[in-house]
Amino acid sequence: QKEVEQDPGPLSVPEGAIVSLNCTYSNSAFQYFMWYRQYSRKGPELLMYTYSSGNKEDGRFTAQVDKSSKYISLFIRDSQPSDSATYLCAMSLNQAGTALIFGKGTTLSVSS
Amino acid sequence: DSGVTQTPKHLITATGQRVTLRCSPRSGDLSVYWYQQSLDQGLQFLIQYYNGEERAKGNILERFSAQQFPDLHSELNLSSLELGDSALYFCASSVTGTPISYEQYFGPGTRLTVT
Repeated sequence: QKEVEQDPGPLSVPEGAIVSLNCTYSNSAFQYFMWYRQYSRKGPELLMYTYSSGNKEDGRFTAQVDKSSKYISLFIRDSQPSDSATYLCAMSLNQAGTALIFGKGTTLSVSS
Repeated sequence: DSGVTQTPKHLITATGQRVTLRCSPRSGDLSVYWYQQSLDQGLQFLIQYYNGEERAKGNILERFSAQQFPDLHSELNLSSLELGDSALYFCASSVTGTPISYEQYFGPGTRLTVT
């Protein structure tokens, strides 16, 4: 079983739709949970991060972490064509000598 | 623009050859991370340097090595290249390094093609 599982999609939605992106993980010791966005032919950029469990909102984006279910989500409200990208979840043990573990990414396409 | 620069953008080379990828971190960032991204494996962490010292090691092959210089730029050396090494190689940087930072700034990547 991979440490982090993410449905690759692709996910296609019309403009204005609510999008739900998800990841599951196996290591209960993960403490930081992140979402990175990667546009085509670009490097990933940090979108949001959450420490431990709970919700975090930033504009149209909401990140949720459910540690009991080992499940994280990213919700995008009022999706825009500019949201079309690959979304990568990432997790960290927050310990020296360890790395960020990334999901393979979900490709999202928002049509106008 | 993240402020992280990587050269070259594209590299085409033959099997068995050796290449060097270069990365300059954002101004003020002390940590540099190297990642490999392929369609089947996704984004895989290779190695991290903080202020010139190796801090974390991932699934980096023995044929690969890296270093961070006093001016904080970093180089990733790939030798005895195989077809399977064809991938996008990203460098990222962060201000902190211990424990590993969740807030990493990625460069535009180097696309390596091994023929």
